[in-house]
Amino acid sequence: ETGVTQTPRHLVMGMTNKKSLKCEQHLGHNAMYWYKQSAKKPLELMFVYSLEERVENNSVPSRFSPECPNSSHLFLHLHTLQPEDSALYLCASSQEITGGTEAFFGQGTRLTVV
Amino acid sequence: GESVGLHLPTLSVQEGDNSIINCAYSNSASDYFIWYKQESGKGPQFIIDIRSNMDKRQGQRVTVLLNKTVKHLSLQIAATQPGDSAVYFCAEDRAGSYQLTFGKGTKLSVIP
Repeated sequence: ETGVTQTPRHLVMGMTNKKSLKCEQHLGHNAMYWYKQSAKKPLELMFVYSLEERVENNSVPSRFSPECPNSSHLFLHLHTLQPEDSALYLCASSQEITGGTEAFFGQGTRLTVV
Repeated sequence: GESVGLHLPTLSVQEGDNSIINCAYSNSASDYFIWYKQESGKGPQFIIDIRSNMDKRQGQRVTVLLNKTVKHLSLQIAATQPGDSAVYFCAEDRAGSYQLTFGKGTKLSVIP
């Protein structure tokens, strides 16, 4: 248990569906992240939030929409996804975004787009 | 481009032997490195870290070595156990950046 909880653990959705992934951290951290993990690829950073403000958006398609209502919660809203979006989506948190500290990861949401 | 990568995608070791997993990085400005372990169906889990002002750091059964001259990082696991079977990632924290750059990972399989 890392202190970062993601729900759901598994999600199957059609290309016309709208769904949301949820992440909650109980560590008192100020930074939260969404990563995408595809087979045989390095972890890809999608979004970075610091104190509820988005500080990074790595050219992620608009069908992925993040939301950070407070420093403990992070959402990833999904709509009109494509089959190639199927992957493991990982949430992480760290004390600060300035680097030099480890990131703690959740268990991930395994997303399948059909 | 600059990247963090791994020399071998898979590694098989006998239970009880020592394991060495290697990682190369290309950004000499990187000043912090982390090794993560990811078991099947789980998120990456922190193992050990090292800062660029050190060349060696030891944990419980694990040692990380940093060679800044050749930009090389390694993870040594002593007396490898079946529970060590997982994918191991190195991650690089570039000075001035606020994101970790991950390598592709090495899959470690422990043979009982």
